[in-house]
Amino acid sequence: KAGVTQTPRYLIKTRGQQVTLSCSPISGHRSVSWYQQTPGQGLQFLFEYFSETQRNKGNFPGRFSGRQFSNSRSEMNVSTLELGDSALYLCASSLGGEAFFGQGTRLTVV
Amino acid sequence: KQEVTQIPAALSVPEGENLVLNCSFTDSAIYNLQWFRQDPGKGLTSLLLIQSSQREQTSGRLNASLDKSSGRSTLYIAASQPGDSATYLCAVKGPSADKIIFGKGTRLHILP
Repeated sequence: KAGVTQTPRYLIKTRGQQVTLSCSPISGHRSVSWYQQTPGQGLQFLFEYFSETQRNKGNFPGRFSGRQFSNSRSEMNVSTLELGDSALYLCASSLGGEAFFGQGTRLTVV
Repeated sequence: KQEVTQIPAALSVPEGENLVLNCSFTDSAIYNLQWFRQDPGKGLTSLLLIQSSQREQTSGRLNASLDKSSGRSTLYIAASQPGDSATYLCAVKGPSADKIIFGKGTRLHILP
């Protein structure tokens, strides 16, 4: 059974650009959550989707957005990138309350 | 607002020792608690999941306990090995949502 797949694994973007990250959950999982991990702040919750609907949102600016498709795959978009957006972005899919994480996308903003 | 704290932030122990990692949380109304392992630059690997109605879970050399009333969980690692070196994260899920709150982790180094 395939795990959670995140693409791409690494990205380098310039300040002001936008970026889209993708997450394919484990087959059968309908809940997908996104987290940002930085050395200073640790893991912080961005948002969670279930059956194409955003159920929860963390305390991030509106530049961070996401969506979920009918096949449960999810995308996260960050617009007008800032240096401080450099981080490891992790996606998790859940079933029965247990979360399974992907390998993450390492975003570097220069 | 749920807060999760992990102590210590870092720990170095000789190979073969048994060790305990601590996690505390401020709101006892949780759905479950999960322990993860993270290797540098990698994603999170789920180690153990404890439902709110459970007191402990075991997997191989790992044992996790949960005391909701005191807001504490411990992860016990028996007979530590160099391959256990990683950051261990404790995460709490609230009762009504899928939002997970993480601790900052304990960076564990097992000395050969």
